[in-house]
Amino acid sequence: NAGVTQTPKFRVLKTGQSMTLLCAQDMNHEYMYWYRQDPGMGLRLIHYSVGEGTTAKGEVPDGYNVSRLKKQNFLLGLESAAPSQTSVYFCASKDSLREKLFFGSGTQLSVL
Amino acid sequence: LAKTTQPISMDSYEGQEVNITCSHNNIATNDYITWYQQFPSQGPRFIIQGYKTKVTNEVASLFIPADRKSSTLSLPRVSLSDTAVYYCLVGDDNNDMRFGAGTRLTVKP
Repeated sequence: NAGVTQTPKFRVLKTGQSMTLLCAQDMNHEYMYWYRQDPGMGLRLIHYSVGEGTTAKGEVPDGYNVSRLKKQNFLLGLESAAPSQTSVYFCASKDSLREKLFFGSGTQLSVL
Repeated sequence: LAKTTQPISMDSYEGQEVNITCSHNNIATNDYITWYQQFPSQGPRFIIQGYKTKVTNEVASLFIPADRKSSTLSLPRVSLSDTAVYYCLVGDDNNDMRFGAGTRLTVKP
């Protein structure tokens, strides 16, 4: 039982490049979330999904897109990376409305 | 969404009890209060959740007064390994799970 798995763990991009971060959970959870965390700061919600085929904006959605084509996967895309998107990205999932969040180990992204 | 306010940082010594208070003045009737712990380079992990009065588990206690406008996470006899950032979240049946800045706890020997 792997829980929440994020790939890749590290990535370096040049400004303007695109990439997709993958989050996979094997707990059959309905809800999935993408956060970013800048050094010394708290987590900020980018986008979230309340079920397969649904997505919604969080606090800082600009510059990111997401898709939830399968219940177990939540993809975060950067169409044109900017240095301001250098951060650690965390994915999380939960089973129902008041259940606890389970987090992945994070993706360290650097945009040069 | 209920806004939360926590101290930015706290220092303690090994063996002491640590209390971290979170203010949530506009908490709604159906809102629950949840605390998470985050170590460096890791994702947050759930500590405890409560609605009112007191909740205790194997790692912490959560005290919630009658008006529910604040809550206090209590960590008994902390050790160096409790050095982490602690987040308070308030929410109900909404799905928008937003974290604040958290409280950075440093435990000294």
